[in-house]
Amino acid sequence: EAEVAQSPRYKITEKSQAVAFWCDPISGHATLYWYRQILGQGPELLVQFQDESVVDDSQLPKDRFSAERLKGVDSTLKIQPAELGDSAMYLCASSLRYTERGEPVYNEQFFGPGTRLTVL
Amino acid sequence: KNEVEQSPQNLTAQEGEFITINCSYSVGISALHWLQQHPGGGIVSLFMLSSGKKKHGRLIATINIQEKHSSLHITASHPRDSAVYICAVKDDYKLSFGAGTTVTVRA
Repeated sequence: EAEVAQSPRYKITEKSQAVAFWCDPISGHATLYWYRQILGQGPELLVQFQDESVVDDSQLPKDRFSAERLKGVDSTLKIQPAELGDSAMYLCASSLRYTERGEPVYNEQFFGPGTRLTVL
Repeated sequence: KNEVEQSPQNLTAQEGEFITINCSYSVGISALHWLQQHPGGGIVSLFMLSSGKKKHGRLIATINIQEKHSSLHITASHPRDSAVYICAVKDDYKLSFGAGTTVTVRA
């Protein structure tokens, strides 16, 4: 069964260091999402890609976070420099997108296993 | 105030008991998701529904669009049902998530 792949599964880093997370969506899924989930809370959307283009990055702290999906397939999320408050689970999800009566429709999202980041 | 509110926050049940988790939302939606998250983080989609009721095994999800409310029921609960259950609502392309309900089922 096709799955969303993420690596690493766990990352421990010191504050002010740079970290990067990788996501490979389900083949054929044009839409890719990065979420941050703080312990005890629901996921929060950081950035959404449609193919290689950013659709929504309104909640992405752009002073330290960046995301790219250069070829419209896999994606990298980077934090530089990491801060203590960045400790969280970073989840990637993907979905199909199709057009209905000229309007985009986004199908069910499939989630990866996540990367748990601890900043010391 | 979060657009999606779940209750209870935590729930402990004995094996075999019937469990209900509630979700209320304040925005117009195109669909509502129930998700399951086990320790370790991975999220699995249980249901996506926009009206009525869906059933899968021992899980039942219902939604009342007029009242902006959904429930997830687990019948004959089992320790392997222990997980965080998250309600998420979809408007256009975006999902808004509840904080989750932590369910613990004791043998």
